[in-house]
Amino acid sequence: SQTIHQWPATLVQPVGSPLSLECTVEGTSNPNLYWYRQAAGRGLQLLFYSVGIGQISSEVPQNLSASRPQDRQFILSSKKLLLSDSGFYLCAGAGQVDEQFFGPGTRLTVL
Amino acid sequence: GQNIDQPTEMTATEGAIVQINCTYQTSGFNGLFWYQQHAGEAPTFLSYNVLDGLEEKGRFSSFLSRSKGYSYLLLKELQMKDSASYLCAVRDYDSSGSARQLTFGSGTQLTVLP
Repeated sequence: SQTIHQWPATLVQPVGSPLSLECTVEGTSNPNLYWYRQAAGRGLQLLFYSVGIGQISSEVPQNLSASRPQDRQFILSSKKLLLSDSGFYLCAGAGQVDEQFFGPGTRLTVL
Repeated sequence: GQNIDQPTEMTATEGAIVQINCTYQTSGFNGLFWYQQHAGEAPTFLSYNVLDGLEEKGRFSSFLSRSKGYSYLLLKELQMKDSASYLCAVRDYDSSGSARQLTFGSGTQLTVLP
């Protein structure tokens, strides 16, 4: 079974600073990978998904970008953070019926 | 598009049974998922329904009626550790027939009281 690793667990950043969140996957090859954001008390919003190296699909226009430089690595980035970028960021891989297996998440606070 | 509705909060007593409902509207249904999310943690996968009927997995069961756009998650013999948010998620097909990604409901916060 696959394991999703994310770091850091928590992050506090000033408005206008850059962001880089990394996600790596163990236990599978060529996985579909996803980045979600969850605002406080809200559901999960899909930000990006990737079906392979260099292949990124964006679900919503936003201040963020994603990259997949290696098969098991998925990176979420921003050049300049906004207050509205605060939230709980989750990386996920897909199982046999496309169920999502989530990493532990990164709680981002933008001040 | 998709519209997913779940109650915001529910309360039940330890040892009891609780049913969490989820209704959805979609143009091309392709599966419904339930997840459990404890406070401050990532969601964990509980169940998957793509055909009508009941799927049982230990103390948890999930039911689907595609014609009614309706699912429920049934939790039996409630334990304190079952206090969590329960998320319903739907996958559908887009207009070209390709499977889209999951759309999550806002979740139902279940509180189990002693």
